[in-house]
Amino acid sequence: EIVLTQSPGTLSLSPGERATLSCRASQSVSSSYLAWYQQKPGQAPRLLMYGASSRATGIPDRYSGSGSGTDFTLTISRLEPEDFAVYYCQQYGTSITFGQGTRLEIK
Amino acid sequence: EVQLVESGGGLVKPGGSLRLSCAASGFTFSSYNMNWVRQAPGKGLEWVSSISSTSAYIYYADSVKGRFTISRDNAKNSLYLQMNSLRAEDTAVYYCARVGRALAAIDYWGQGTLVTVSS
Repeated sequence: EIVLTQSPGTLSLSPGERATLSCRASQSVSSSYLAWYQQKPGQAPRLLMYGASSRATGIPDRYSGSGSGTDFTLTISRLEPEDFAVYYCQQYGTSITFGQGTRLEIK
Repeated sequence: EVQLVESGGGLVKPGGSLRLSCAASGFTFSSYNMNWVRQAPGKGLEWVSSISSTSAYIYYADSVKGRFTISRDNAKNSLYLQMNSLRAEDTAVYYCARVGRALAAIDYWGQGTLVTVSS
């Protein structure tokens, strides 16, 4: 089973700042099968990125994804108040695994 | 509009059983792979099970293998999860989730149904 490790566990930033979230896999993951989700309290997750770098429908262009192999990154260029949430990376195969999440909180 | 509506959650004693249902609408259900994903209170997301569009391929997380059974009825646009031998650690919100075609990612989630396993 592929294990995804996200860092940092918590990221404290201010609106307008840049956020960089990391997702490291225990073995190589095809970029086509790496996705990112955002979850706010009391809500279901929302798909942000798929194929490591493609934005889902309706996701603003301040969100970007990159990476390959075992190291992937989600970047939010300029934080808006609505961006503060928990973020999960996910790999898709015969089984699906999620990272443990990064909490992005207002500083 | 794509909608996934779960039902069937509730309080059950350890060792008991529960059947979750997910009613799908707004898309051609029979064309999509579907999943169940759960989230324990205050914890992260955990994949539970997947089923392909025709039910030809079914997969389970090791934590539920042999106890849970996923199924679907394409004529009724419905997804199911039969949960047997429930344990306290199965307590979670269970989400019905659609895999986007050619996305290799979950593009739509239901609102979730809470399963509590407690004596």
